Amino acid sequence: GESVGLHLPTLSVQEGDNSIINCAYSNSASDYFIWYKQESGKGPQFIIDIRSNMDKRQGQRVTVLLNKTVKHLSLQIAATQPGDSAVYFCAENEKGQGGKLIFGQGTELSVKP
Amino acid sequence: DGGITQSPKYLFRKEGQNVTLSCEQNLNHDAMYWYRQDPGQGLRLIYYSQIVNDFQKGDIAEGYSVSREKKESFPLTVTSAQKNPTAFYLCASRPGFYGYTFGSGTRLTVV
Repeated sequence: GESVGLHLPTLSVQEGDNSIINCAYSNSASDYFIWYKQESGKGPQFIIDIRSNMDKRQGQRVTVLLNKTVKHLSLQIAATQPGDSAVYFCAENEKGQGGKLIFGQGTELSVKP
Repeated sequence: DGGITQSPKYLFRKEGQNVTLSCEQNLNHDAMYWYRQDPGQGLRLIYYSQIVNDFQKGDIAEGYSVSREKKESFPLTVTSAQKNPTAFYLCASRPGFYGYTFGSGTRLTVV
């Protein structure tokens, strides 16, 4: 149904600090997870992914952690920069659901100079 | 360069008018998707297609229609039955197991 008047969770950090963005996923059978970054007025961009047989994966300045016990995913951004300001979405791939990704609500990251 | 192209970037619709949003990809991906995004909210699935000449309804298909006559193209028509069409529309494609590649979006406004 329609959702009206929702506000995204917001995380505000100082430039140079580390950021941690959290996501709770819904299905214990999900086997693949992705983080996307969306800047205002643009389409989401892939940041990093992780399969369910892993607990941690590192990229350039970003790390994704997966805790299957509590169905929790986190994105860590090291040395956050103003260009990191955006909305971040997690997505899960539910096995047997026709290739559809299920997206979380999103978190808005604001980096203060 | 390979990618997904959505057009137009901005689209204005009058009351009672049907409009079609274009989505073209040259990535050779089988699966394509349409999402709607309202301000400050997440992505809601409208329609998706896993192969040519086949598509399925997503969570909010009412008032929308699609076709998949070619692998490269997955146009979305917003019909007059969609009472609140003002939103940001995103098209995506997927190469099997991995993540989506998104287009740059079409912002539709009712005038």
